Amino acid sequence: AQTVTQSQPEMSVQEAETVTLSCTYDTSESDYYLFWYKQPPSRQMILVIRQEAYKQQNATENRFSVNFQKAAKSFSLKISDSQLVDAAMYFCAPSEGAQKLVFGQGTRLTINP
Amino acid sequence: GAVVSQHPSWVICKSGTSVKIECRSLDFQATTMFWYRQFPKQSLMLMATSNEGSKATYEQGVEKDKFLINHASLTLSTLTVTSAHPEDSSFYICSARDVVKAGTEAFFGQGTRLTVV
Repeated sequence: AQTVTQSQPEMSVQEAETVTLSCTYDTSESDYYLFWYKQPPSRQMILVIRQEAYKQQNATENRFSVNFQKAAKSFSLKISDSQLVDAAMYFCAPSEGAQKLVFGQGTRLTINP
Repeated sequence: GAVVSQHPSWVICKSGTSVKIECRSLDFQATTMFWYRQFPKQSLMLMATSNEGSKATYEQGVEKDKFLINHASLTLSTLTVTSAHPEDSSFYICSARDVVKAGTEAFFGQGTRLTVV
């Protein structure tokens, strides 16, 4: 079974600054996918970024990028130029193939103006 | 992007009654859907995996007779909370993935806030 650990229950950052959210996981699979989702106050889950485990290159999506360390089973999310709209709960989730997502405990990100 | 519609958005019911929540994939076929429960300020806890045309797979500790899941078509899964009690009050979220395309994102419904009084 997969386990996911997000060790930062809360984080805060000044607007326009950079913040990194950490995530570690455990899986017995060699081929899997990793996701970061955000949940704003509306509670709608929104995909932030996706990483295929077989790809060595870290995924990037505009201001969002990941630092994927497969051997260490680490998958951190970096948000550059933080904006007020980035305030949300962020969840890390590994997935095997097209199967279920197992979510971490979440990190509540606050953006200070 | 793909859309998953969940209905109702919120519901209040009396203790002892049953409540049905619907989850529809609007523009893709979902042979598998997932049901999550989320308590305030906590993460999403997977309750069960809904499989089209077959029985759902429940996570450990989830009462299958309490939370009935039906996935009768490739676009619709329903979760029925039977004989609801106040402790069943929670936020329920469904999601669906295109299982033909491995690794694709999961699309989520808007969630249903259930209050049992």
